[in-house]
Amino acid sequence: QLQLKESGPRLVKPSETLSLTCTVSGDFISAGTYYWAWIRQTPEKGLEWIATIYYSGSTYYNPSLKSRVAISVDTSKNQFSLKVTSVTAADTAIYYCARQGGYRSVLPAPEYFDTWGQGTLVTVSS
Amino acid sequence: DIQMTQSPSTLSASVGDTVTITCRASQDISTWLAWYQQKPGKAPKLLIYKASTLKSGVPSRFSGSGSGTGFTLTISSLQSDDFATYYCQQYKSYSGSFGQGTKLEIK
Repeated sequence: QLQLKESGPRLVKPSETLSLTCTVSGDFISAGTYYWAWIRQTPEKGLEWIATIYYSGSTYYNPSLKSRVAISVDTSKNQFSLKVTSVTAADTAIYYCARQGGYRSVLPAPEYFDTWGQGTLVTVSS
Repeated sequence: DIQMTQSPSTLSASVGDTVTITCRASQDISTWLAWYQQKPGKAPKLLIYKASTLKSGVPSRFSGSGSGTGFTLTISSLQSDDFATYYCQQYKSYSGSFGQGTKLEIK
């Protein structure tokens, strides 16, 4: 059964870097059948897609966050990670990792989020 | 940027009712649309993708329709388990932008 689980510090100081890791079980990132993504949720902005990665390292970023965000993958550990730099209180959110599925012209494509982690609340505060 | 707008923001209904939630895209997204259900304290769950394709295991009382800029999610014969918040998401542009959500409440 596919499971995704977020891990990382729950409290981050302003101006520092938020780092999260998603551990995948029940599927192999290296299989290349799906993409892998980070999404966050706040009461003010709702659900916001942050970034997506493929096992090969190809990445997609939300333009509004691109300058501060980096997504990476470690296929040997079946994990992918997120870093958000120079955080402010506006980055306080529930962060979800998710598997992103879909096909375009018979090739896997980053479309809908078919399985989500449970989410982790990250608070930015001094 | 493709903006997604849902209506209504809140919907009150009773068990057994049939309800419809609308999602509008700021530009043509063909049928590149998904619907999710989220309950308090839980992650969203995928219900429908490609505007009308039900994810395996999702009850058939859920249905989706539409193309271009206008889409609907219909829930027939509401059950108590269906009271939740519903979100649409476009994926034409790979930006994955979501609607603001529709909270389905018990009347």
